[in-house]
Amino acid sequence: GQNIDQPTEMTATEGAIVQINCTYQTSGFNGLFWYQQHAGEAPTFLSYNVLDGLEEKGRFSSFLSRSKGYSYLLLKELQMKDSASYLCAVRDSGGGADGLTFGKGTHLIIQP
Amino acid sequence: EPEVTQTPSHQVTQMGQEVILRCVPISNHLYFYWYRQILGQKVEFLVSFYNNEISEKSEIFDDQFSVERPDGSNFTLKIRSTKLEDSAMYFCASQEARETQYFGPGTRLLVL
Repeated sequence: GQNIDQPTEMTATEGAIVQINCTYQTSGFNGLFWYQQHAGEAPTFLSYNVLDGLEEKGRFSSFLSRSKGYSYLLLKELQMKDSASYLCAVRDSGGGADGLTFGKGTHLIIQP
Repeated sequence: EPEVTQTPSHQVTQMGQEVILRCVPISNHLYFYWYRQILGQKVEFLVSFYNNEISEKSEIFDDQFSVERPDGSNFTLKIRSTKLEDSAMYFCASQEARETQYFGPGTRLLVL
């Protein structure tokens, strides 16, 4: 089974930087994903880590430590449109057809 | 940019009725998935489909549910004898090889 923990809610200021943490306990591991989800909409892919280290993509970066079962998503130069839920998801070991196990999501509020 | 599409966007049905939710995955993708998200809760994996058969299914995906790829483009989820607790947003996702899963816009199902 999988257990994924992330903070329920965070608040940050426009223009600032925020780090959203995710810890996981899994029987297997074959990649960690971050998705953004606006209310009433579908999850939108942000980043994917399968090896330890930092992946950078524009204003978004994601870090993974497999030995610690830990990841974070870093958002820079925050904009009001970044107000959304951020979902951490893990793919179990095995074939490519494995479904993702999602955390409950972190609701990020951006204040002016 | 290719995207996953889903129809209908909204579906209202009476308890005990059958519904079919339709998805058109991205054309060169090989793996297909259904997820659901009950209002205010996390995204939950239902089933994955590869090479014209179910690859993995969760505990939620019981005999009430079935999936089909009737032709080269559509991927359907059938829910027989719907229950009140089936009310949720249902997301289809597709994936190319062992890459990222991309989600469709979802079908909001309301069972009365």
